[in-house]
Amino acid sequence: DQQVKQNSPSLSVQEGRISILNCDYTNSMFDYFLWYKKYPAEGPTFLISISSIKDKNEDGRFTVFLNKSAKHLSLHIVPSQPGDSAVYFCAAISTGGSNYKLTFGKGTLLTVNP
Amino acid sequence: ETGVTQTPRHLVMGMTNKKSLKCEQHLGHNAMYWYKQSAKKPLELMFVYSLEERVENNSVPSRFSPECPNSSHLFLHLHTLQPEDSALYLCASSQDGTDYEQYFGPGTRLTVT
Repeated sequence: DQQVKQNSPSLSVQEGRISILNCDYTNSMFDYFLWYKKYPAEGPTFLISISSIKDKNEDGRFTVFLNKSAKHLSLHIVPSQPGDSAVYFCAAISTGGSNYKLTFGKGTLLTVNP
Repeated sequence: ETGVTQTPRHLVMGMTNKKSLKCEQHLGHNAMYWYKQSAKKPLELMFVYSLEERVENNSVPSRFSPECPNSSHLFLHLHTLQPEDSALYLCASSQDGTDYEQYFGPGTRLTVT
C-alpha cells in the first residue's frame, strides 16, 4: 500500500506560469516532508522541505504548502522556467521512527514549455 | 570528485554472474543508503548503514549483499539475480540519522539477462 501518492504522472505548463505539484500521504505519523528533483541520467537532488509544525516554507521560486488535516502537500514553482523540467518526487518521514527511512512517491514529470 | 559517485553507470549481467556496485561519498557523511527504482514504482529503500553498521535491512533478498568498509564507501554485491531485479540502483548519503536530507548519486542502471 502506497503511503505517499503523487497522482499526476505528468504536468505541462507554460514558461512564466505557476507549476503546482501535489502529493498526498496516508501515514499520520509522517511529520517531515521533502521534495526532490531528478533530471535524466542524474540522481535526485534535494529541493525543499517542511516540518509538520509549519504550513508553508519558501525558498526563492519554490514554496511548499502543508495541509496536515487533509494529509496533503503541494510544491509551487513560480515563475516556471524551462530548466525546471524534471521529475519531482515527494518524500516523507516519521521522525519518531527510523530516522533514515524516507518514503517516496512515484514522481511527477514536469515539462515547462518555452 | 564531489558529492556522491557511483560505478559502473550501466551494467548488464547474466543470472549466473557475480558483480558489485560501488558508491563513494565525498561529503564527510556518516550514513549511506542503497535504493532500488523500478519502472513506474517509487524509490524503495534497501539498506542503510550508519557509521559502517547496518541499521536498516528492508526485507531484501539475500542475492543482494551490502558491504560498508568505511563511512565513505558502500558496495552492493550481486549474485544469481533475476530479470525482475533489473532497475536503477541509487546510492545516497546523509550527515547522520538526524539530518533527513539525503544526497544521491547518479545511479547504476542494471539489466539482468
